[in-house]
Amino acid sequence: RKEVEQDPGPFNVPEGATVAFNCTYSNSASQSFFWYRQDCRKEPKLLMSVYSSGNEDGRFTAQLNRASQYISLLIRDSKLSDSATYLCVVPPRGSTLGRLYFGRGTQLTVWP
Amino acid sequence: DGGITQSPKYLFRKEGQNVTLSCEQNLNHDAMYWYRQDPGQGLRLIYYSQIVNDFQKGDIAEGYSVSREKKESFPLTVTSAQKNPTAFYLCASSINQEPRRQPQHFGDGTRLSIL
Repeated sequence: RKEVEQDPGPFNVPEGATVAFNCTYSNSASQSFFWYRQDCRKEPKLLMSVYSSGNEDGRFTAQLNRASQYISLLIRDSKLSDSATYLCVVPPRGSTLGRLYFGRGTQLTVWP
Repeated sequence: DGGITQSPKYLFRKEGQNVTLSCEQNLNHDAMYWYRQDPGQGLRLIYYSQIVNDFQKGDIAEGYSVSREKKESFPLTVTSAQKNPTAFYLCASSINQEPRRQPQHFGDGTRLSIL
């Protein structure tokens, strides 16, 4: 099983819509999860860190389901500027200090 | 402002040539990482370093080399042994902390192409 798996999309939604992405992970011992955003031809940028059951920041909510080993990212009231690729990031299995595994990303396009 | 600086932004390599990509950070982070990203693909780890004078191979280290002589600097050399070097190269750094692993912060990348 891969360390992290994401639905690649693409997700195409109108402005104002609510959209959710899921990501499954294999490291049941993980205590840290992250969502990054990557714009076309740019570097990934940290969107949210998730250390417990979930985290909310404005229109963005990340939720963690440890029993089923998945995390989700919910975006409410989508804006055109939310169009990007969203990367799910988790630590790998084992004690590989510092390493993180980046999912391939879910592509989102918000249209007017 | 604190951050990670990668240079150059664009780099062209001739066949048989070694090229070095620079990565400098002033965030006082112990750990630094090099990733490669191919079009439409995820990030793949090339090398990483948790502390000065120490580094480990990632998942695709063949054809690459690194050094970590200073905390602030982690240069990556793409050697002539790397037959398919065209990609977007990203350097990252993070604080070392367990078990609550810290996020990595990225430079703005170097695009390497073959001439």
